[in-house]
Amino acid sequence: GIQVEQSPPDLILQEGANSTLRCNFSDSVNNLQWFHQNPWGQLINLFYIPSGTKQNGRLSATTVATERYSLLYISSSQTTDSGVYFCAVPSSGSARQLTFGSGTQLTVLP
Amino acid sequence: DAGITQSPRHKVTETGTPVTLRCHQTENHRYMYWYRQDPGHGLRLIHYSYGVKDTDKGEVSDGYSVSRSKTEDFLLTLESATSSQTSVYFCAISDAGQYGYTFGSGTRLTVV
Repeated sequence: GIQVEQSPPDLILQEGANSTLRCNFSDSVNNLQWFHQNPWGQLINLFYIPSGTKQNGRLSATTVATERYSLLYISSSQTTDSGVYFCAVPSSGSARQLTFGSGTQLTVLP
Repeated sequence: DAGITQSPRHKVTETGTPVTLRCHQTENHRYMYWYRQDPGHGLRLIHYSYGVKDTDKGEVSDGYSVSRSKTEDFLLTLESATSSQTSVYFCAISDAGQYGYTFGSGTRLTVV
């Protein structure tokens, strides 16, 4: 099945710093989503971004489908950005399912 | 999010006992999913449903069964719980398959 790799696995930042999270996938996809899991465990859908660039406040995401990667940018990070960031793509052979990467654990220090 | 609720939020059960987790939605979404989350594995799909009484297996379906008798409810059953099923279970809903997932708050299940 499709493989999804995220990097880095862990990231520690000082408040106010910028960061870039990467998601590589092993096969062509027509859908990619980014999620944030906060320290209380809640999963929030950040972006649906099969290609191109989208922005939502301090967060933006870019997917280059032809090169099989996506980037999530966090600018002027805040402590509330802490948590785990997951990317997910459709599973091989089934457009109805998503395969998740293992996530990037982000810690923003005050 | 008020549109999807999971129950119970926490449960401790003994090995060999049956356990049922419930996912309830008020969004009238067609698709519902059960995932488990374990350290180092991210989220892995257990089962999903694409309509009332229409279900299919995911990546880690062994030891689990599901039922969907109404649009709003999706039940996950562990027929005979094992310690390897200790995990956090998430339900998700979607209105068009792979788009715009909304997750429930999760159920932390401990099998002792």
